[in-house]
Amino acid sequence: AQSVAQPEDQVNVAEGNPLTVKCTYSVSGNPYLFWYVQYPNRGLQFLLKYITGDNLVKGSYGFEAEFNKSQTSFHLKKPSALVSDSALYFCAVPTSGTYKYIFGTGTRLKVLA
Amino acid sequence: GEEVAQTPKHLVRGEGQKAKLYCAPIKGHSYVFWYQQVLKNEFKFLISFQNENVFDETGMPKERFSAKCLPNSPCSLEIQATKLEDSAVYFCASSRDRGPGDEQFFGPGTRLTVL
Repeated sequence: AQSVAQPEDQVNVAEGNPLTVKCTYSVSGNPYLFWYVQYPNRGLQFLLKYITGDNLVKGSYGFEAEFNKSQTSFHLKKPSALVSDSALYFCAVPTSGTYKYIFGTGTRLKVLA
Repeated sequence: GEEVAQTPKHLVRGEGQKAKLYCAPIKGHSYVFWYQQVLKNEFKFLISFQNENVFDETGMPKERFSAKCLPNSPCSLEIQATKLEDSAVYFCASSRDRGPGDEQFFGPGTRLTVL
């Protein structure tokens, strides 16, 4: 069965510093991995996805994610955090066959001015 | 349209009352998914459609929940007799094609409060 784990409930980072939000996965077959962001009282916004190819995936708003097969990780990164990046971040993996998402538990990112 | 639309934004119901939520997927998208976001931000899958056909309903509590996607109409999710534990934000998402690599686009959600 597919699953993802986000080991940190909250990540605090100072504005201008690099940020990392962690995600590890367990999938059978080729992994398809997604990152979404949720701002307060809003729906999920797609940030980026890994399908195949380059291990470093670039996405929206300056975010990128690094796929690491040996560590079964897909960590979200940004070189320089903004206060406006403060939000809830979810990684997700589609299930085999029906493609509904299995979500991680979410990580709240707080960027401090 | 270019965004998934959901109505209403907020819905308040007394326990036992009916609740109906609507979703208009992005034009040209064939797949619609419904998710429930409960306390602690946990997402729970409810049901998905391929056009007007149910694709996967393994997450639906069928005794009280029903859903439809009819041609030329918004999709709907109905709870016949709401319970306190149905209080949640309900999200609809759509995707263009069926495939694990196709991202889902989410609507803003409907917050259901059952009193």
